[in-house]
Amino acid sequence: GAVVSQHPSWVICKSGTSVKIECRSLDFQATTMFWYRQFPKQSLMLMATSNEGSKATYEQGVEKDKFLINHASLTLSTLTVTSAHPEDSSFYICSATRDGNEQFFGPGTRLTVL
Amino acid sequence: ILNVEQSPQSLHVQEGDSTNFTCSFPSSNFYALHWYRWETAKSPEALFVMTLNGDEKKKGRISATLNTKEGYSYLYIKGSQPEDSATYLCAFDNTDKLIFGTGTRLQVFP
Repeated sequence: GAVVSQHPSWVICKSGTSVKIECRSLDFQATTMFWYRQFPKQSLMLMATSNEGSKATYEQGVEKDKFLINHASLTLSTLTVTSAHPEDSSFYICSATRDGNEQFFGPGTRLTVL
Repeated sequence: ILNVEQSPQSLHVQEGDSTNFTCSFPSSNFYALHWYRWETAKSPEALFVMTLNGDEKKKGRISATLNTKEGYSYLYIKGSQPEDSATYLCAFDNTDKLIFGTGTRLQVFP
């Protein structure tokens, strides 16, 4: 149990377009979901924490108007990168918790903005 | 700034060798230390959650120790196998969030 999926696994888009990434908990209800970003040779960095039905809490330095997070149900959270630019190219990965403790991770999404 | 460091960055070993890596983390505001195993194109998989100073945990050929007073954890792999090839991540948990190291990339050659 405790499987988290992400879609798409990779995406290439033109500069200025918006990209939506989905994170789903497949076999459990996720009380909280997290979005991380990883640049090459760097560590996973937390971008935001979201709870179902409420606004996401963003980490310092992460623009909430650029990275829109919607946590509409206990099994789905989406991250939309609005007006993407080449500097937004990165690896985005989500995780989910069911009881506030252990985080279960998705396989990640590689975003390339041309 | 909370810093979590892992060493070495990468490691190449022969099948059957035993190996170990280090994770160092802040010694204040400690709640837990997590170890993950991350294979390419897959989800990071939780190995251990360690909370108490002096903790030792074991899963098969993999074990980990924890020293919260000096802020380090060791991960050991006994008799490495090619299927152990992965990136091993540690994450410092201060109850607020997880702060990850950059990982140790292990490659085991047959």
